[in-house]
Amino acid sequence: AQSVTQPDIHITVSEGASLELRCNYSYGATPYLFWYVQSPGQGLQLLLKYFSGDTLVQGIKGFEAEFKRSQSSFNLRKPSVHWSDAAEYFCATSGSARQLTFGSGTQLTVLP
Amino acid sequence: DGGITQSPKYLFRKEGQNVTLSCEQNLNHDAMYWYRQDPGQGLRLIYYSQIVNDFQKGDIAEGYSVSREKKESFPLTVTSAQKNPTAFYLCASKVDLNTEAFFGQGTRLTVV
Repeated sequence: AQSVTQPDIHITVSEGASLELRCNYSYGATPYLFWYVQSPGQGLQLLLKYFSGDTLVQGIKGFEAEFKRSQSSFNLRKPSVHWSDAAEYFCATSGSARQLTFGSGTQLTVLP
Repeated sequence: DGGITQSPKYLFRKEGQNVTLSCEQNLNHDAMYWYRQDPGQGLRLIYYSQIVNDFQKGDIAEGYSVSREKKESFPLTVTSAQKNPTAFYLCASKVDLNTEAFFGQGTRLTVV
C-alpha cells in the first residue's frame, strides 16, 4: 500500500530564509506526487505536482520540489520565505488507487 | 466560476443526532471524495465515488454514509454510530485516475 511520511511536524524559519520541507513516499512504481498548502480553517490548495519527466517541478507562490527516486523523496523548497507562507503543508501521492494518500502535514511558522 | 462548494461552514449538533454535510461541484469531475481532518493526523479518507450510483469505503468509513445520485453532488451523513464525530470535513473531486484533487473549503462539525 502506498504511504507518505512527513518527518517534520513543525518547522520555524525567519522571513527571508530558505525553506525545505521533507516528504518521503512508499510505492513500488513511479508515483504521482503533490504538495498542497492549507491556511487555518480553509481547504487545500495545490502548490505543485509531479507526474513524469523533469524531476524539478515549479509551482505557484515561488515553490519548487524535486523528485528523487533513489531516495523516495519529493521535498518542497522555497529560496526566500514570506510571512504569508505560514500555513500547513501536505505532501500526497496517488498510486494504483484513485484516492490521494496524504502525509500528516508540516506546520510552518515564519518569524519576522 | 467552477469549484466545489461545501455547506455549511460550521455545524453544531447534539450527540446522538445524524447530520448531513453537503458537497456540490460544477467541475464535471467523475470522482468525488470525503476526508476527515484531525489535528496532527493529516487527512483520512472516509468514502469515495468514482461514478454516479457507485461509492467505496475509505479507511475510516464506520459511522458514516454517503450517496451519489447526481454527478454534481456527494453528501456525507455522520450518523450517531460515529464515536467521535467532531472534526473538520473536506470534500474533493478529481478529473481522472491520477490527476490532482480540488478541495472545498471544508465544514467544521462540532458535536456536543
